[in-house]
Amino acid sequence: DIVMTQSPDSLTMSLGERATINCKSSQTVLDSSNNKYSLAWFQQKPGQPPKMLIYWASTRQSGVPDRFSGSGSGTDFTLTISSLQAEDVAVYFCQHYSSGPPTFGQGTKVEIK
Amino acid sequence: EVQVAESGGGLVQPGGSLRLSCAPSGFIVSNYYMRWVRQAPGKGLEWISVIYMDGSRYYADSVRGRFTISRDNSKNTVYLQMNSLRPEDTSVYYCVRDENGLLQYWGQGTQVTVSS
Repeated sequence: DIVMTQSPDSLTMSLGERATINCKSSQTVLDSSNNKYSLAWFQQKPGQPPKMLIYWASTRQSGVPDRFSGSGSGTDFTLTISSLQAEDVAVYFCQHYSSGPPTFGQGTKVEIK
Repeated sequence: EVQVAESGGGLVQPGGSLRLSCAPSGFIVSNYYMRWVRQAPGKGLEWISVIYMDGSRYYADSVRGRFTISRDNSKNTVYLQMNSLRPEDTSVYYCVRDENGLLQYWGQGTQVTVSS
């Protein structure tokens, strides 16, 4: 199975700051049929199910604020929150949907300083 | 509107059984892959089982031989029969619609606690 590793495990930032979360896959998650990366990002707030924010590594889900963006290639991917808001306090997970079963990163907890 | 709703969780003793149900609205379960994903307290997300449109079923190593996923098309419901439960199975169990790998629709989850 593909192993997804996130860094850091937690992040404490001030309101308005830029937050960056990294995700590394143990092997490529490139979909050769469309040359896109099968990588999604989720946000999970306490007591709620995960909510998909980004798919194909950089496509924002409908309704997701544009301060959230995804990037990356090869085996290294990044979720960026350009200006951290109070409502962004959550745990963020990356997930691949390439070959084999879908697996998730261990999560990154984002808090406000 | 697409919604997913799980039920059937609860407190069970080690070695016991539970059956979880997933009854979505807004779509037909047999037209999609349907997955069960669990999350232990304070932990990450673990895929445990999937049923494909053709009825094929797959399991994570951690539950293979103990859990069985099934589908009743007449009730538009997916089930997870959990036998020989262990304390380490304690988790919130989510039913998730899988559309070409995209896990966009999740239920609210149902809590399963295995304890004596």
